[in-house]
Amino acid sequence: GENVEQHPSTLSVQEGDSAVIKCTYSDSASNYFPWYKQELGKRPQLIIDIRSNVGEKKDQRIAVTLNKTAKHFSLHITETQPEDSAVYFCAASINNNDMRFGAGTRLTVKP
Amino acid sequence: EPEVTQTPSHQVTQMGQEVILRCVPISNHLYFYWYRQILGQKVEFLVSFYNNEISEKSEIFDDQFSVERPDGSNFTLKIRSTKLEDSAMYFCASSGQVGSEQYFGPGTRLTVT
Repeated sequence: GENVEQHPSTLSVQEGDSAVIKCTYSDSASNYFPWYKQELGKRPQLIIDIRSNVGEKKDQRIAVTLNKTAKHFSLHITETQPEDSAVYFCAASINNNDMRFGAGTRLTVKP
Repeated sequence: EPEVTQTPSHQVTQMGQEVILRCVPISNHLYFYWYRQILGQKVEFLVSFYNNEISEKSEIFDDQFSVERPDGSNFTLKIRSTKLEDSAMYFCASSGQVGSEQYFGPGTRLTVT
């Protein structure tokens, strides 16, 4: 089955800096890659997703890149703000089914 | 904005008992999912459900677990003979189409004592 690795496990940045989180996946058939933000005690919330027919997608301060050949994808957050502090999970699936998550990255943005 | 809802928010049960966790997906959604998250760990896929049958299940979803859509609105997860290691947050999710965004419910925290 699919295996998703995520790095780093913790990331601390200064407000205004950029943050990058990287994930790799094992199943070349995976075609849907969402990123979720989870605040303490809350549900995971989708912040951006990318499909295998696209190499990059951007939504304001958030961007995701996908390298199908290398089987890795990354989340980029620019101009970080304290409210970006949370745990971020990457995930991979085939058609959004049997979705496998990475171990999570705890992002702390220091004011 | 429509949301996935789950009840109860917290369930405490004794080891060996059966529990039923309930979810009401977004009304026009067709695909339903259950996930588990042990405290401080990653979200783990349990099962997906479409057209009144299981479409995928993970290695975690063994004979101890079952899912059901007993009526047009509820989607339930039954855990039989609970074990201490079943203690976790259980999230339900739904999506409208294959490959579209999954919307998560607020979760049910299950504590097995």
